[in-house]
Amino acid sequence: KAGVTQTPRYLIKTRGQQVTLSCSPISGHRSVSWYQQTPGQGLQFLFEYFSETQRNKGNFPGRFSGRQFSNSRSEMNVSTLELGDSALYLCASNSGTGGLETQYFGPGTRLLVL
Amino acid sequence: AQSVTQLGSHVSVSEGALVLLRCNYSSSVPPYLFWYVQYPNQGLQLLLKYTTGATLVKGINGFEAEFKKSETSFHLTKPSAHMSDAAEYFCAVSPKAAGNKLTFGGGTRVLVKP
Repeated sequence: KAGVTQTPRYLIKTRGQQVTLSCSPISGHRSVSWYQQTPGQGLQFLFEYFSETQRNKGNFPGRFSGRQFSNSRSEMNVSTLELGDSALYLCASNSGTGGLETQYFGPGTRLLVL
Repeated sequence: AQSVTQLGSHVSVSEGALVLLRCNYSSSVPPYLFWYVQYPNQGLQLLLKYTTGATLVKGINGFEAEFKKSETSFHLTKPSAHMSDAAEYFCAVSPKAAGNKLTFGGGTRVLVKP
């Protein structure tokens, strides 16, 4: 069974631009969660999508948004990039059917904002 | 709000020695508890988790952790360190009602000396 796929793996943008990151969960999984990892703030939860609906949301500004498609693939978008958005963005998938389930993480997309 | 504290951002152990990584959480009710490992340039891999029941939890790669409610702790141990254990380790919690929203500690980087 293929794991969680994130594209692209590396990305360089400049301040003010926007960026879209993609996550394909494990086949059959319907829940996708996104996390931001930075040296200063550590790992922080961004949001979770289940069956194309946002189910949980972290404390990030509205510049951070996401969506999920009918095939469970998810994208996150960051508009008006700031230097502080430079981070490793991780996505995690699980079946989302309820209860506590293991989250499977992808390798991440490393974003550098210049 | 929940929080997780990992004591020591860096730990150095000799190969064959005991590995002890400390984690304390703050929560009004006992949450679900996790330990993840991250190798360089990779995503997170679940080592073990505590939900309910037996307070001593065994995970992969010889790791185990003990949940102590009275101390609000979930320390991770491995009796004998191996060179391949060099990585960063994260303790995380999830409220029982919040599904897949993880709150992470700051991480502990483990260095294994030959």
